[in-house]
Amino acid sequence: DAGVIQSPRHEVTEMGQEVTLRCKPISGHNSLFWYRQTMMRGLELLIYFNNNVPIDDSGMPEDRFSAKMPNASFSTLKIQPSEPRDSAVYFCASSLTGQHGYTFGSGTRLTVV
Amino acid sequence: DQQVKQNSPSLSVQEGRISILNCDYTNSMFDYFLWYKKYPAEGPTFLISISSIKDKNEDGRFTVFLNKSAKHLSLHIVPSQPGDSAVYFCAARGHTGNQFYFGTGTSLTVIP
Repeated sequence: DAGVIQSPRHEVTEMGQEVTLRCKPISGHNSLFWYRQTMMRGLELLIYFNNNVPIDDSGMPEDRFSAKMPNASFSTLKIQPSEPRDSAVYFCASSLTGQHGYTFGSGTRLTVV
Repeated sequence: DQQVKQNSPSLSVQEGRISILNCDYTNSMFDYFLWYKKYPAEGPTFLISISSIKDKNEDGRFTVFLNKSAKHLSLHIVPSQPGDSAVYFCAARGHTGNQFYFGTGTSLTVIP
């Protein structure tokens, strides 16, 4: 398996623009997680899905953030409009219920200027 | 509020010596704990885990200790090697959910 695949690896955008981050989980995994890494808060859970259904989105910082999982093999995290303070590395991870731990993707480094 | 805390942002250790990374948590309902290792430009990778019913788990050079009364866990690496230089995150899971809460990470540098 190719692991969890995230795209793009790097994204530089101007403030106010819409940004879409993409994730393909490991085939067969039924849980998907979006995390954001910052110096201050470490790895912060934004939202997670189980069987394509959002279970907990309490970590989504503002209404500017939204996430979808239209099917078991694809998820998006969208920021609209983006702001400089959204600059961070965003990780997607997946797991199978009952497994103890996640498999992470390589992350998307977002820079909003 | 951070439920999982790693109070040491960085640690430097001489090659061959022991590295001890610490982690504290606030929620007594956490029942499973993990350590992840992260190299630059890569995603975190699973290192070692421990269930709340145990107080120690060992895997080669890596040992995790859990002190439930103190809500504290630690990762010991013996002997430390230069390839261990990375950021280490501890994570904890509540017994009712599937999500893990991560700490802020500790950057370990092993000096040859």
